[in-house]
Amino acid sequence: DTAVSQTPKYLVTQMGNDKSIKCEQNLGHDTMYWYKQDSKKFLKIMFSYNNKELIINETVPNRFSPKSPDKAHLNLHINSLELGDSAVYFCASSQETAQYFGPGTRLLVL
Amino acid sequence: GEDVEQSLFLSVREGDSSVINCTYTDSSSTYLYWYKQEPGAGLQLLTYIFSNMDMKQDQRLTVLLNKKDKHLSLRIADTQTGDSAIYFCAESPLTLSGGYNKLIFGAGTRLAVHP
Repeated sequence: DTAVSQTPKYLVTQMGNDKSIKCEQNLGHDTMYWYKQDSKKFLKIMFSYNNKELIINETVPNRFSPKSPDKAHLNLHINSLELGDSAVYFCASSQETAQYFGPGTRLLVL
Repeated sequence: GEDVEQSLFLSVREGDSSVINCTYTDSSSTYLYWYKQEPGAGLQLLTYIFSNMDMKQDQRLTVLLNKKDKHLSLRIADTQTGDSAIYFCAESPLTLSGGYNKLIFGAGTRLAVHP
């Protein structure tokens, strides 16, 4: 009965590969987000979707492509992975105000 | 501009109060949040306050907001070893579309609680 869930929890891959991270929320929220946390723990928003529509797209390389098949799901596909993409990626959801976060996906690019 | 600043480290003795401070720069109406992150875990929402409020209390947590100085603090009473974690301050300013969609985080304060 986890509120915001992400898969996989860990992802280790080679440079140049393409990978996807999935997120699901069962809170009935309209808005979902992707955040990136770097090795110094700094958190920055990447994307936000409201009811399947993209509303925030920060300065993120176009190798990153979010996709929201329905308002309960927001996936993140990353093409041509680079060493600098290694980070923890957090999904979150909200209904107007407070954002609730998933457990994170730890991505390591070798 | 949008910027949130926090001191990076705080060390307290078990049983004492902890006060974690944060300053923000956005001048629009905004929500202000405190999140807790334990090692290897996600972000746990602790509490939040709207910028027209001065204070909010929830059990051992007290949030104080000084709107004039754009200063936010989180006080943890009777700090326990389980409170050791990184505490993030974040603001969510009102956007042009009329929503509070974007969290801008501080760098996090690492709280260490020792016996």
